Amino acid sequence: QVQLQQSGAELVKPGSSVKISCKASGYTFTSYDMHWIKQQPGNGLEWIGWIYPGNGNTKYNQKFNGKTTLTADKSSSTAYMQLSSLTSEDSAVYFCARGTAYWGQGTLVTVSS
Amino acid sequence: DIVLTQAPLSVSVTPGESASISCRSSKSLLSSKGITSLYWYLQRPGKSPQLLIYQMSNLASGVPDRFSSSGSETDFTLKISKVETEDVGFYYCGHRLEYPYTFGAGTKLELK
Repeated sequence: QVQLQQSGAELVKPGSSVKISCKASGYTFTSYDMHWIKQQPGNGLEWIGWIYPGNGNTKYNQKFNGKTTLTADKSSSTAYMQLSSLTSEDSAVYFCARGTAYWGQGTLVTVSS
Repeated sequence: DIVLTQAPLSVSVTPGESASISCRSSKSLLSSKGITSLYWYLQRPGKSPQLLIYQMSNLASGVPDRFSSSGSETDFTLKISKVETEDVGFYYCGHRLEYPYTFGAGTKLELK
């Protein structure tokens, strides 16, 4: 069955970067887009972008241009999202999702000094 | 960006009764391929969102048929019949018509 296992919670300092992972199993990793979605505490959902692991193509929500970098490692079936120049506004739960139907459990990123 | 406006913000329902949630789009979600790109999700407390409905009216795999959805090109309604305890959470509509994909602000469903 399709599973997306995300990395654990991160506590990071303002101005730093963080890279979170999403390990896929149960399907052909290179054949489906992997999307990333942000959810701030008590808030709704924001689509960040997607990566197609088959060829590395990406599409970003312009709002997150310069903030996020999506990559994928075909050898380990793992997608990554790097967030840079972190501020308190980046504190959120981040989900990876294959299409609309399969979601990871979420990774909490807390930006605090 | 396409704005999706949900109503109400919260709804309180007696178990066994029905509930309806509205989602209005600032733009037609009918694609050139004739597909209406509107999706409904349920996020239970502390969980990831779960797909309920895809392409406006299609029930996702494993979702009970107590859930249904209908609409036009810009106005959509999710109906939950015979509400159960497990239906508690936040309901979101979302689209995938064009970039950026966006979601509604969510509707909280709780039990009376």
